[in-house]
Amino acid sequence: QKEVEQNSGPLSVPEGAIASLNCTYSDRGSQSFFWYRQYSGKSPELIMSIYSNGDKEDGRFTAQLNKASQYVSLLIRDSQPSDSATYLCASYNQGGKLIFGQGTELSVKP
Amino acid sequence: EAGVVQSPRYKIIEKKQPVAFWCNPISGHNTLYWYLQNLGQGPELLIRYENEEAVDDSQLPKDRFSAERLKGVDSTLKIQPAELGDSAVYLCASSPNWGDGEQYFGPGTRLTVT
Repeated sequence: QKEVEQNSGPLSVPEGAIASLNCTYSDRGSQSFFWYRQYSGKSPELIMSIYSNGDKEDGRFTAQLNKASQYVSLLIRDSQPSDSATYLCASYNQGGKLIFGQGTELSVKP
Repeated sequence: EAGVVQSPRYKIIEKKQPVAFWCNPISGHNTLYWYLQNLGQGPELLIRYENEEAVDDSQLPKDRFSAERLKGVDSTLKIQPAELGDSAVYLCASSPNWGDGEQYFGPGTRLTVT
């Protein structure tokens, strides 16, 4: 079992819809969770961090964390073609290493 | 504020040749990371530096890979000799301190070994 798992996609949504990206993790001791966006040929860019159970909103982005279920999600409201990218979920394991999922490719169709 | 700087951006070498990558982290960031990213995968940590000390190099293939961070600022990652399987993107990242969570990535070096 991978420490951080994501559906690789691709996930395709129409412009203006809500995109929902999901991630599960295996290390119950993990406390910090991150979503990175990576455009093709570019480096990962941090877009959200979440440390407590519940929701955290930043503009069109909402991160959700459920530690009991070991589940993290990212919602993108009013999806735009410019949101088309690979989204990487990451968390620190108890050894202090940032572990990334394999990423979910999102395609927003005009 | 300048971001993480890496060079070169692209490198093509023949197998068995040496190659080196350079990284300059964000000013004031004590922790520096080197990651390897294969196509369709997330980054995987190769080595982490706290100032000039390598504190986690468990994933670094030490028979051919080496790294240094002299004076606790910029860093060099070297491969000698390169193998075909080393073709990947090598990312450098930095953070103010370890465990602060947010890591900031440089543009990466895309290595192709022929």
